[in-house]
Amino acid sequence: AQKVTQAQTEISVVEKEDVTLDCVYETRDTTYYLFWYKQPPSGELVFLIRRNSFDEQNEISGRYSWNFQKSTSSFNFTITASQVVDSAVYFCALIIQGAQKLVFGQGTRLTINP
Amino acid sequence: DAGVTQSPTHLIKTRGQQVTLRCSPISGHKSVSWYQQVLGQGPQFIFQYYEKEERGRGNFPDRFSARQFPNYSSELNVNALLLGDSALYLCASSLVVWGGYTFGSGTRLTVV
Repeated sequence: AQKVTQAQTEISVVEKEDVTLDCVYETRDTTYYLFWYKQPPSGELVFLIRRNSFDEQNEISGRYSWNFQKSTSSFNFTITASQVVDSAVYFCALIIQGAQKLVFGQGTRLTINP
Repeated sequence: DAGVTQSPTHLIKTRGQQVTLRCSPISGHKSVSWYQQVLGQGPQFIFQYYEKEERGRGNFPDRFSARQFPNYSSELNVNALLLGDSALYLCASSLVVWGGYTFGSGTRLTVV
């Protein structure tokens, strides 16, 4: 069975601080995809990134960056110079090849204070 | 292009009633998945349909059912509603069975 753990339930920082959201996953499969989604108060899950299990390159997109380490089964997400608009619940998710379901973590509620 | 659209956005039902939620996928997407998100938790997989066939089912009772129509839209039905069915129901569409998923804004169901 697959499992995703986001140990940080809530994080609160002041605007312009850097913040890292942790994600640890469990799977016995060798081929899988990892995702990060953002959920604003409106409820829609907004796709941020997908990473396959064979690509451990870190990725940077503007103020967002992701660190994938298979050795520790982690896929962490960093926001640099946070902004109030980054406030949301962030979910890490996993799907194994051939499966139909995304397995989500419990989510991390991020609050950026002005 | 329109994203994934779900209707209604909000719904209040009484225990024991039945409810139907609707989802229209992104144009060209043939796969629709349903997720239940209880307050404070991550979404839980309910169903996936592809080309009108059920391809996967999560750990939900038989009170939950779904179907997909020839135009790839989908309905989720829940019978004999319980208070615990109160949740945000999310629909996701993808081009193929296993691929990137785009989510709708969800239907917030409250059972009283």
